Amino acid sequence: DAGVTQSPTHLIKTRGQHVTLRCSPISGHKSVSWYQQVLGQGPQFIFQYYEKEERGRGNFPDRFSARQFPNYSSELNVNALLLGDSALYLCASSLFGLRYFGPGTRLLVL
Amino acid sequence: AQSVTQLGSHVSVSEGALVLLRCNYSSSVPPYLFWYVQYPNQGLQLLLKYTSAATLVKGINGFEAEFKKSETSFHLTKPSAHMSDAAEYFCAVSEGPKTSYDKVIFGPGTSLSVIP
Repeated sequence: DAGVTQSPTHLIKTRGQHVTLRCSPISGHKSVSWYQQVLGQGPQFIFQYYEKEERGRGNFPDRFSARQFPNYSSELNVNALLLGDSALYLCASSLFGLRYFGPGTRLLVL
Repeated sequence: AQSVTQLGSHVSVSEGALVLLRCNYSSSVPPYLFWYVQYPNQGLQLLLKYTSAATLVKGINGFEAEFKKSETSFHLTKPSAHMSDAAEYFCAVSEGPKTSYDKVIFGPGTSLSVIP
C-alpha cells in the first residue's frame, strides 16, 4: 500500500511569493493534518482537516490556509512568504489514532 | 492544554551503551503518547506509542518506553546503542484516537549521537 505522499519534495521561493503544497493521504484515511518543522525544532501543528472540514488550527497567521478535496487529498497554501516560513512541511493522515507522516516538502524562502 | 518537554537537546552514548531519552508531558485529559524518530532529511517514523493499555510499551528497533502517570513521564530506552540509532527523537502527546480531532503536540527533540 502506498503511504502518505507529498509534492513537491523541495521548493525554493522568494519573499512575498505564494506557495501551494500538496498531500495525498493513505487510502481510506479521511483526516489530514499539516505540520511545520523549522530547522532544529519539533513539528508545530498548523491545520487538521477531516471530511473536508477544518477541525483544528494551530497558532499560525492567516497567510496560511488549507483545504481538503472530495478524494481527501489536501493543499496547504502560504501567501506573502517570509524568510521565517522556510521549513519542512509535513503532512500526516490518520484513522482512529493511527497516524502516518509523509516525507515532507522542504521549502526555502530567499 | 497539552505540552511536552524533553530534557537534553543532545545526548551522546557509546556504541553498546544504554540509551535513555527523557520526556515529560502535561495533559488535562488522559494522554496518548508517542516517540518518533527522524533521520536526516527524512520525515517522521513512529517508534512506539502508549494508548492507555500496558504501561511498558515496546517499539521497533529494540526501543521501549514506560508510561509513569505519577511522574508524568514517558522516557525512551534501548539497552544497547547501535550506530544506526543516531538520529533526532521526538516525544509527542495527543488527546487520543479521535479521528475528527487529531492534533499532536511535539517536544523540541533530542539529537542522539552514537560514538564508536
